[in-house]
Amino acid sequence: DAKTTQPPSMDCAEGRAANLPCNHSTISGNEYVYWYRQIHSQGPQYIIHGLKNNETNEMASLIITEDRKSSTLILPHATLRDTAVYYCIALDLGAGSYQLTFGKGTKLSVIP
Amino acid sequence: GAGVSQTPSNKVTEKGKYVELRCDPISGHTALYWYRQSLGQGPEFLIYFQGTGAADDSGLPNDRFFAVRPEGSVSTLKIQRTERGDSAVYLCASSISGNSYEQYFGPGTRLTVT
Repeated sequence: DAKTTQPPSMDCAEGRAANLPCNHSTISGNEYVYWYRQIHSQGPQYIIHGLKNNETNEMASLIITEDRKSSTLILPHATLRDTAVYYCIALDLGAGSYQLTFGKGTKLSVIP
Repeated sequence: GAGVSQTPSNKVTEKGKYVELRCDPISGHTALYWYRQSLGQGPEFLIYFQGTGAADDSGLPNDRFFAVRPEGSVSTLKIQRTERGDSAVYLCASSISGNSYEQYFGPGTRLTVT
């Protein structure tokens, strides 16, 4: 799986959009970009994933650059409950073993 | 519906003792995963079950760790001769099928070895 790079921490004002970047410059054509988050003292939570098209669901939007070397997770109106560690992971659906490989992620703090 | 549940939520044991950690996956989910998370780190994969069989146990750190899922539902992670370095949060996740990265995690069991 391709290595991903994320900033260690970010702050966002409550009610504003939170834009979390992720670099995955060595991503291969078969690898999807997945985002999970982990709120303190809870297990990780799946957010969204995509291959090359932008994706949106009830939780967030995922914007993937045309060259697929980076992506941005957007929480459109951040709330205090969005304070968490956000993990960006590049995963190959044809790999055969569906283990998730978490890095250190970005600790997002939503400020009142 | 009910999510993934794990018991106990906390376990304190003495070095050298045996422990069992239980995971109840979401009903109908065929795939089950165990991860371990040390303080300040992301979760690390331990083992993955598809049905009753361990499809990938490459993450188990050594032969003191073993996991079973005899009926394809509940799973138990077993740790023999515990060491202080085994102290961590043990997370269980399940997914509806074996070919999915959309995994649903339980709250974890915090294991402390004294």
